[in-house]
Amino acid sequence: GENVEQHPSTLSVQEGDSAVIKCTYSDSASNYFPWYKQELGKGPQLIIDIRSNVGEKKDQRIAVTLNKTAKHFSLHITETQPEDSAVYFCAATNTNAGKSTFGDGTTLTVKP
Amino acid sequence: DAGVIQSPRHEVTEMGQEVTLRCKPISGHNSLFWYRQTMMRGLELLIYFNNNVPIDDSGMPEDRFSAKMPNASFSTLKIQPSEPRDSAVYFCASSEGYSYNEQFFGPGTRLTVL
Repeated sequence: GENVEQHPSTLSVQEGDSAVIKCTYSDSASNYFPWYKQELGKGPQLIIDIRSNVGEKKDQRIAVTLNKTAKHFSLHITETQPEDSAVYFCAATNTNAGKSTFGDGTTLTVKP
Repeated sequence: DAGVIQSPRHEVTEMGQEVTLRCKPISGHNSLFWYRQTMMRGLELLIYFNNNVPIDDSGMPEDRFSAKMPNASFSTLKIQPSEPRDSAVYFCASSEGYSYNEQFFGPGTRLTVL
């Protein structure tokens, strides 16, 4: 089955700095890669996603890059703000199999 | 839309008791997922349904766990008998189509088995 590794497990940055979270996956058939943000006491919420026919996608301060050859994808957050503090999960999905495998999560802390 | 609705939000029970968690997906979504989240194991997919039919239940830990989706607007996850190691937050999520679209998560049910 699919195996997703996510690094780092914790990340602390100063407000205004950039944050990068990386994930690798094992199943070359995976073709959809969402990123979720989970705030304390809430369920995960999608913040950005990328499909395998695209190498990069950006939405304001958030961007995701995908390297299909190397089987890794990354989340980039620029100009971090305290409200970006949360747990972030990557996921790899084989849409033919119909299910997503999640990484173990990264706890991001943005210090004011 | 109210989003995915889960009940109860918190459940405390004693070992050996039956526990039933409930989920109402977003109207119009035809895929539903049950996840379990713990510190040790992270976010695990237990089972998912498409058009009310269970597609993959390989994540269900053992026979004590069962899930049903009798109609498009309701699903249950049952644990019988419950054990302390079942303590976790259980999330329900729904999506349009299969899992190639955004999954919308509910607020979760925090289960504590004493």
